[in-house]
Amino acid sequence: KAGVTQTPRYLIKTRGQQVTLSCSPISGHRSVSWYQQTPGQGLQFLFEYFSETQRNKGNFPGRFSGRQFSNSRSEMNVSTLELGDSALYLCASSLEGTQYFGPGTRLLVL
Amino acid sequence: AQSVTQLGSHVSVSEGALVLLRCNYSSSVPPYLFWYVQYPNQGLQLLLKYTTGATLVKGINGFEAEFKKSETSFHLTKPSAHMSDAAEYFCAVSKGNRDDKIIFGKGTRLHILP
Repeated sequence: KAGVTQTPRYLIKTRGQQVTLSCSPISGHRSVSWYQQTPGQGLQFLFEYFSETQRNKGNFPGRFSGRQFSNSRSEMNVSTLELGDSALYLCASSLEGTQYFGPGTRLLVL
Repeated sequence: AQSVTQLGSHVSVSEGALVLLRCNYSSSVPPYLFWYVQYPNQGLQLLLKYTTGATLVKGINGFEAEFKKSETSFHLTKPSAHMSDAAEYFCAVSKGNRDDKIIFGKGTRLHILP
C-alpha cells in the first residue's frame, strides 16, 4: 500500500498570506490527524478528522482550520500567516489506534 | 488524562554500545504504547508498538521495548548502536481503538559517538 502523502513538500509564503496543505491517507484509513513541529515547541497536535468530522482539536487559534473529504483526503488551511507559523506540518492517518505519518510539508513564512 | 515523559532530551552513546531511551507514561485505561523515529527533514516512522499480549515488543532496525505496567514504563533499547541510529525518538501513548488521539512525548535526540 502507498504511504501517507503530503503536498506540497516545501512552501514559502509571506506574512498575511494564507496557505492550504493537502494530505492523502493510506487507503482504508478514515482518521487523519495534523501536527505542527517546531524546534522550540516540539510536536503539537492541531486536529483530527474522522469520517469528515473533526473529532479532536488542539490548542491553536482559529486561523488554523481543516477539513476532510469523503475519500478521507484532508486539507488544512492557515490564514493570515505569521512568522511563527514557520514549521514542519505533519499529517498522520490511523487505523486500529496506530498512526502512520507522511513526510511533512515544510512551511517558511517570510 | 494521558501523558508521556521522556527522560533526557539528548542522549549520547558510543557506536556499538547499548542504547537505552527512557519513557514513562500515565493512562487511565490499558494503553497502547508506541515508539517513533524521525530522521532530519522527514516524518515520523513507526519503530514498534505495544497493544496487548507479550510485553517485550520487537521493532525494526534491531530495537525493542518492554511494557512494564508496575513501573508505567516503556523503555526503548538496542544492544549495539550504529551511526545510522542517530535521530530523534518519540514515545507515545493512546487509548487504543477507543480513541485515536495519540499523546507524544517531547522527544529524545540520540547522538552516536564514533
